[in-house]
Amino acid sequence: KQEVTQIPAALSVPEGENLVLNCSFTDSAIYNLQWFRQDPGKGLTSLLLIQSSQREQTSGRLNASLDKSSGRSTLYIAASQPGDSATYLCAVSGEGSNYKLTFGKGTLLTVNP
Amino acid sequence: SAVISQKPSRDICQRGTSLTIQCQVDSQVTMMFWYRQQPGQSLTLIATANQGSEATYESGFVIDKFPISRPNLTFSTLTVSNMSPEDSSIYLCSVCYSLSGEQYFGPGTRLTVT
Repeated sequence: KQEVTQIPAALSVPEGENLVLNCSFTDSAIYNLQWFRQDPGKGLTSLLLIQSSQREQTSGRLNASLDKSSGRSTLYIAASQPGDSATYLCAVSGEGSNYKLTFGKGTLLTVNP
Repeated sequence: SAVISQKPSRDICQRGTSLTIQCQVDSQVTMMFWYRQQPGQSLTLIATANQGSEATYESGFVIDKFPISRPNLTFSTLTVSNMSPEDSSIYLCSVCYSLSGEQYFGPGTRLTVT
């Protein structure tokens, strides 16, 4: 059974700092990995999708990397802003799972002005 | 990407009643899913909504408690039946385009059972 772990559970940083969120998964037979953002009481916003054959994806100030063999992914946020404050969720889709996602518990990020 | 709407956005219901949540997508999609997010927890998959056939439920979820319909490729409903306070959660639908495998989520329905 796939398990996804996210570290740290919470992170508080001053505005402008670069930061890294970590995600690990127990079964390396994944189809893809997706990072989401969730604002309080809201749905999920897709940030980045990494296919199992890829090493990284970038979107603006966000960069996600994937090391499938070691079961790890990182989300790098450059020059953080107060508007980045949210919960960041990592989810993996297993090979042959028909795209069903297994989620981590998330990292609650607070960026202080 | 997809534009997904859910109705209602939130509701407060009494124990023993049922609530039906609607999910509407702006384009035809192959895969639709229903997830639950209990307070302070991450998301757990309830079932895959299959067009024209019975939904596929995950371990711990049953059709009698969470009946799902999917009459076409843009619409699905999830019913939470015979509710108890333990059903208080956010319920989210998602869609997946099989070409990329990327999933998009609706805004969620926040359910409180008293």
